[in-house]
Amino acid sequence: GESVGLHLPTLSVQEGDNSIINCAYSNSASDYFIWYKQESGKGPQFIIDIRSNMDKRQGQRVTVLLNKTVKHLSLQIAATQPGDSAVYFCAEKGDSGYALNFGKGTSLLVTP
Amino acid sequence: DTAVSQTPKYLVTQMGNDKSIKCEQNLGHDTMYWYKQDSKKFLKIMFSYNNKELIINETVPNRFSPKSPDKAHLNLHINSLELGDSAVYFCASSQSGNIPARYTFGSGTRLTVV
Repeated sequence: GESVGLHLPTLSVQEGDNSIINCAYSNSASDYFIWYKQESGKGPQFIIDIRSNMDKRQGQRVTVLLNKTVKHLSLQIAATQPGDSAVYFCAEKGDSGYALNFGKGTSLLVTP
Repeated sequence: DTAVSQTPKYLVTQMGNDKSIKCEQNLGHDTMYWYKQDSKKFLKIMFSYNNKELIINETVPNRFSPKSPDKAHLNLHINSLELGDSAVYFCASSQSGNIPARYTFGSGTRLTVV
């Protein structure tokens, strides 16, 4: 079946460096993608989203890039801080139009 | 002023018991969801309600029964609990429309079946 997945399950970066978290998706009909951050003991929190008619979107210290040709999504975090340590999920809007299908998650660890 | 609140936060129970998890949202959203997160952090949709009507019912055992008394509440009842039901259950809500998928999640209910 269609699925959303991640290349790297864990990522360790030094404070101040830039982080890149990658995600591959298989449903070429997906038209909406979203990144969530989940801190330990909490629910996922919205970070940034992007529609399929865009290839880049920027937020505060975060940028999402979408490459529809290779069905790849990435989240870039600039000047990574200890507070960025969390599990990051990419997700796509499912066939129902309501539910999000989540990828497996990447654990980001920021070291001082 | 929690936007999506779930109770209880922790639930430890024996196999075979019946338990319920409650969820309430004060965001005025019209769609609510239940997700199950396993030990590997994988999040899987279970149910979704839009305006109190069931719109998504994934392959979930019949022992799981959601109920939405109104748009602001979505409860999950689980009968005859099994060891494999141990997981973190997340409730979420969203507003259908232009951006239907920007969810707000609750903080989760950690269910442990012993």
